[in-house]
Amino acid sequence: EAGVAQSPRYKIIEKRQSVAFWCNPISGHATLYWYQQILGQGPKLLIQFQNNGVVDDSQLPKDRFSAERLKGVDSTLKIQPAKLEDSAVYLCASSRNVGDTEAFFGQGTRLTVV
Amino acid sequence: QKEVEQNSGPLSVPEGAIASLNCTYSDRGSQSFFWYRQYSGKSPELIMSIYSNGDKEDGRFTAQLNKASQYVSLLIRDSQPSDSATYLCAVRWSKLTFGKGITLSVRP
Repeated sequence: EAGVAQSPRYKIIEKRQSVAFWCNPISGHATLYWYQQILGQGPKLLIQFQNNGVVDDSQLPKDRFSAERLKGVDSTLKIQPAKLEDSAVYLCASSRNVGDTEAFFGQGTRLTVV
Repeated sequence: QKEVEQNSGPLSVPEGAIASLNCTYSDRGSQSFFWYRQYSGKSPELIMSIYSNGDKEDGRFTAQLNKASQYVSLLIRDSQPSDSATYLCAVRWSKLTFGKGITLSVRP
């Protein structure tokens, strides 16, 4: 069974530029998560989807971050405009359902904003 | 606010010793607790889940849950250098919330 796929693996941009990350969850997984992990910290949930609906986006900085999962499968996370403090690893994870216990992570995208 | 605390660490143990990692959480309204392992530069990997009070063993790993005291721990027996990593405690309330992690170093 293929795991969670993310791209790109690395991205360097200048502040005020925009960037987008892509995630393909494990086949059949209805729940998809985007986490932000700043160096030395644990992952922080940005947004959680159940199929193509948003379950939780309470910690998503909506003035600059947006995410979509139009067909309930792949998802994109966008930052526009980026700030220096957005430098982090962006992790995508998926689980079978919202109440499902186990979440599996992709390899992440390391973003550096200069 | 629902929080997961991992305040001890970093932890260094000699090869073959028992490593004990602790975690506390702020709200009792959860039934699902997890330990993830994260190697440097890699993504978190689920190693243990526990849902009821007591111990759960899986190979060299034992997870312990005490809901009354709101703590969950992970014991690693016969620690190996390959166990050197950051261990993240996670609790599922309405969302899966992580602690900041404990870095474990196993000395050969």
